Amino acid sequence: DTGVSQDPRHKITKRGQNVTFRCDPISEHNRLYWYRQTLGQGPEFLTYFQNEAQLEKSRLLSDRFSAERPKGSFSTLEIQRTEQGDSAMYLCASSLTGVSNQPQHFGDGTRLSIL
Amino acid sequence: AQSVTQPDIHITVSEGASLELRCNYSYGATPYLFWYVQSPGQGLQLLLKYFSGDTLVQGIKGFEAEFKRSQSSFNLRKPSVHWSDAAEYFCAVGASNTGNQFYFGTGTSLTVIP
Repeated sequence: DTGVSQDPRHKITKRGQNVTFRCDPISEHNRLYWYRQTLGQGPEFLTYFQNEAQLEKSRLLSDRFSAERPKGSFSTLEIQRTEQGDSAMYLCASSLTGVSNQPQHFGDGTRLSIL
Repeated sequence: AQSVTQPDIHITVSEGASLELRCNYSYGATPYLFWYVQSPGQGLQLLLKYFSGDTLVQGIKGFEAEFKRSQSSFNLRKPSVHWSDAAEYFCAVGASNTGNQFYFGTGTSLTVIP
C-alpha cells in the first residue's frame, strides 16, 4: 500500500492559464474523490468516480473544471482559465467500493496559487 | 442537510494534559463519523471511525472518540497530549444518502505548549 499520490505538490500559475493535476489512488480502491480546501476551512467535495464513471459533481465544480478517470485508475482534474478564487489545496482521496461507510484515504494534495 | 460543526477554532493545551475536541453533526439517521488529522502542507490522516456498535471507539496515536446520539456529538479525546499532536483536526460525517461524499467541519487547530 503506497497510499494516494498527487502530482504536482505545488503549482503556481498566472490568472487565465489552464492547469492539470493528477491523482493516483490506492491500487485496489475503486472510488476516487476530489476535494478543495481553502485556508481555515475543511475540505469541500467536488466530485467522485466509481471506476471510470463520474457519478456525482458538486455545485462547486463550475464549467471551467473537468475531471476524468479514463481507465478507472488514475484521475486528472483540469481547471481552465484559472481565476484568483481557484487558489486552494486540491485533495484527492480513494476508498473501497461497495459500502458508503468506508473511510477515505487522502493524498498530500496539490496547492494551487494563482498570481 | 448534513453538516458538521466544530465549535472550537483553536485550542491550546500543555504537553501531558488531557484533550477534548468537540464535534456536532446534523443528520437524520445514523451517521458514519470520522476524525482526521492534518499537519501543515499535508493531506488528511484517518484517526478513527464510527459506524455502529460500541459508541466508544479507539483510534491511532492514543486517540478515542465517543458517539452520543442524544447530543449529536462525536468528541475526540486523548488523555495525555504530546507535542507531536499539534495539528489541525477535522471531524467528518458520511452517510448512505450523501452520494458517498463526506461533509467536513471547519477544523480545530491544536497548539501544544511545553
